[in-house]
Parts: sequence; structure tokens; C-alpha cells
Amino acid sequence: DAGVTQSPTHLIKTRGQHVTLRCSPISGHKSVSWYQQVLGQGPQFIFQYYEKEERGRGNFPDRFSARQFPNYSSELNVNALLLGDSALYLCASSFLDSLNQPQHFGDGTRLSIL
Amino acid sequence: TQLLEQSPQFLSIQEGENLTVYCNSSSVFSSLQWYRQEPGEGPVLLVTVVTGGEVKKLKRLTFQFGDARKDSSLHITAAQPGDTGLYLCAGAQGGSYIPTFGRGTSLIVHP
Repeated sequence: DAGVTQSPTHLIKTRGQHVTLRCSPISGHKSVSWYQQVLGQGPQFIFQYYEKEERGRGNFPDRFSARQFPNYSSELNVNALLLGDSALYLCASSFLDSLNQPQHFGDGTRLSIL
Repeated sequence: TQLLEQSPQFLSIQEGENLTVYCNSSSVFSSLQWYRQEPGEGPVLLVTVVTGGEVKKLKRLTFQFGDARKDSSLHITAAQPGDTGLYLCAGAQGGSYIPTFGRGTSLIVHP
């Protein structure tokens, strides 16, 4: 069975540009969460979506937005990129929206801002 | 200030040694998860602990949740090079949908 897949795996952008990252959850999983992991730190929660509705939002500026599609895949959009946005962006899926549910992570998109 | 403090930050040991890593907080968590993350990959869930005082074993790994549900520990017996990785704890408070991760313990096991 396919795990959580993210695309692209690596991306290089310049300051001020925008980026769209994509995530396909495990088949049957309805919840998708996005995290930012800066080098040397643990993942930081950005968004959670369940059944196409936003269920949680972390402490990130409005430049960050996301959505979930009818097939439960998801996109994370970041506008007006800053150098500090350079990080590994992780997507995780779970069957339900409870945080006690096991979360399955993809291998992430490595975003570098020049 | 990190809501979940993990210690030690780095650990370098020889194959066969035992080790314990800690995850501490001043806050109560409804559950705590432990993950292992290898370079270039996403975190992989090892265990979820929910009940205060709970002990779970996964082969050579023993996980404990503190009685007050504010802290947790991971003990590895007879570490192997395959145990090398970043060990992360994560928790959720009450009905919050916002999980918090610690900064992790980076473990290297030398053959």
C-alpha cells in the first residue's frame, strides 16, 4: 500500500515568490496535517484539515494557506516567501481527526529560499 | 520556551549500551507520541501513551508515561546501529487539535 506521498521532494525559490506543495494521504485517510521542520528542531504544526474543513491552525502568518480536495489530497500554499521559510515541509495523514489517532508522515518537501 | 523539553539533545554511544531519553513538560497532556526520524525521511510513529503511569514495550524499546501525564521516557536496551535517528516526542493538550513536538534527541549508535 502506498504511504503518504508529497511533491515535489525538493524545491528552490527566491524571496517574494510563492510556492504550492502537494500531499496525497494514505488511501482511506480523511485527515491531513501540515508541519514545518526547521533544521535542528522538531516539526511545528501549521494546519489540519478533515473532510475538507480546517480543524486547526498553528501560529503561522496569513501568507500560509491550505486546502483539502474531495479526494482528501491537500495543498499548502505559501506567498511572499522569506528566507526564514526555508525548511522541510511535512504532511501527515490519519483516519480520523483526533490527535490520538496514529499520524503517518510523508518524507517531506525540502524548500530552500535564496 | 519549548512546551516539551527533550533531553539530552545529542547522544553518541557504542553498540550494546543502554540509554534513556526524556520528554518533560510543566503541562498535562492527554496523550504523548514518540517518533523516530531518519535523515531525509518523515517521522515514523513508534508508540502512543495515553494513561498516566502507562508502560509500553516495543522489542528493545520501553516507553513510560508519567503518573501526572506531564513527562515521558524512552529506554533502549542494547542499542544497535539501526537505532540511529532523531527521537521526537509530541503531545496534545485536552481537546486541542494543535500538537506540540519537542526538538528531539539525536542518537548515534556506533558499531
